Amino acid sequence: GAGVSQTPSNKVTEKGKYVELRCDPISGHTALYWYRQSLGQGPEFLIYFQGTGAADDSGLPNDRFFAVRPEGSVSTLKIQRTERGDSAVYLCASSPDRGPYEQYFGPGTRLTVT
Amino acid sequence: GNSVTQMEGPVTLSEEAFLTINCTYTATGYPSLFWYVQYPGEGLQLLLKATKADDKGSNKGFEATYRKETTSFHLEKGSVQVSDSAVYFCALRSDNYGQNFVFGPGTRLSVLP
Repeated sequence: GAGVSQTPSNKVTEKGKYVELRCDPISGHTALYWYRQSLGQGPEFLIYFQGTGAADDSGLPNDRFFAVRPEGSVSTLKIQRTERGDSAVYLCASSPDRGPYEQYFGPGTRLTVT
Repeated sequence: GNSVTQMEGPVTLSEEAFLTINCTYTATGYPSLFWYVQYPGEGLQLLLKATKADDKGSNKGFEATYRKETTSFHLEKGSVQVSDSAVYFCALRSDNYGQNFVFGPGTRLSVLP
């Protein structure tokens, strides 16, 4: 079946601009996660959705970052007033609502802020 | 807070050599433990998992045993292949509120023919 998909695969934007990154999880998966991965590092947790609600947004670095999942499926990560330090690969993962909750990752969106 | 530590890479081995990648963790409660692999140009894939102490996860010839007494989950393979060249991430899922994952920094493995 179809895996997790993310669009766009690459995004180049200028400092100060607004960007949206999209994630389509595996059908039927109720949990959805966003991570940020910098070069040579492991994924860094940003936010976790259970259904439509953000169950844990403690990883969002500041108020420029926001994510939504209005219908409990597709999610959008929004970054306002982008900074060069936001450049990274943004990963989305989904998991079913039954344990042991392993996650299925999308290919990521590489964001470059110039 | 929860954390995962992995041995630093890169690790370079000859084909058919024995592989160990060390992973230790710090967590409250009883986390589940995972190894993920990222092949060149691909996304993260689950390699194996263990959900309680003394469980052994295995897949594709790789094994790891959940050792609560040493808070470790070392990855092993008896005979590596060139196709095993990738970055390996150890991770834990906390059973605390939020169910979020904590990943280690990754260990790059290169296997030479």
